[in-house]
Amino acid sequence: EDQVTQSPEALRLQEGESSSLNCSYTVSGLRGLFWYRQDPGKGPEFLFTLYSAGEEKEKERLKATLTKKESFLHITAPKPEDSATYLCAVGGAQKLVFGQGTRLTINP
Amino acid sequence: NAGVTQTPKFRILKIGQSMTLQCTQDMNHNYMYWYRQDPGMGLKLIYYSVGAGITDKGEVPNGYNVSRSTTEDFPLRLELAAPSQTSVYFCASSYQGQRSYNSPLHFGNGTRLTVT
Repeated sequence: EDQVTQSPEALRLQEGESSSLNCSYTVSGLRGLFWYRQDPGKGPEFLFTLYSAGEEKEKERLKATLTKKESFLHITAPKPEDSATYLCAVGGAQKLVFGQGTRLTINP
Repeated sequence: NAGVTQTPKFRILKIGQSMTLQCTQDMNHNYMYWYRQDPGMGLKLIYYSVGAGITDKGEVPNGYNVSRSTTEDFPLRLELAAPSQTSVYFCASSYQGQRSYNSPLHFGNGTRLTVT
């Protein structure tokens, strides 16, 4: 069965303290792994798509990486405005499965 | 460019009432989706559509209905509201060249529904 598990559920960091969020997955025939950012009261906002193991994408302080079993979202020197819930979703041949998200809080 | 627009933003229903959640997109995407998001849970697919006139059930379709008469609009209907339908509902759209999930979804800002 296709599954996506994100860890940790919540993460609190100080401004400038780098860390990583994890997305572990099992899927039949990976078509794409997606990272989204969701602010309170808003819909998920697309960040990255990764298609194959070894691929990396960067945007400002965020870098997403992909292996055959998991993806990491690395956050370098985060700022308070990076506080949000980060969602991972895995697209297979038949369906798209979302993780439950990691709630990230960056304290100034 | 508005993207995906949902109305209303908030709604309170009594048990047994009906309502329609509206969704429209201006990106000319063929695929449209309805998800619900409950605390601590991943987004769950309710219904989806691959084009005008074509809809199909997702993971949690019971208690809901949809229609797709145009490319732009994809309304979600709740016929007999129940407390279990209290949730945040998101509409999304995507462009997919093939029938597989390799394109990102673009989401609206959601409708927060409470059934009491």
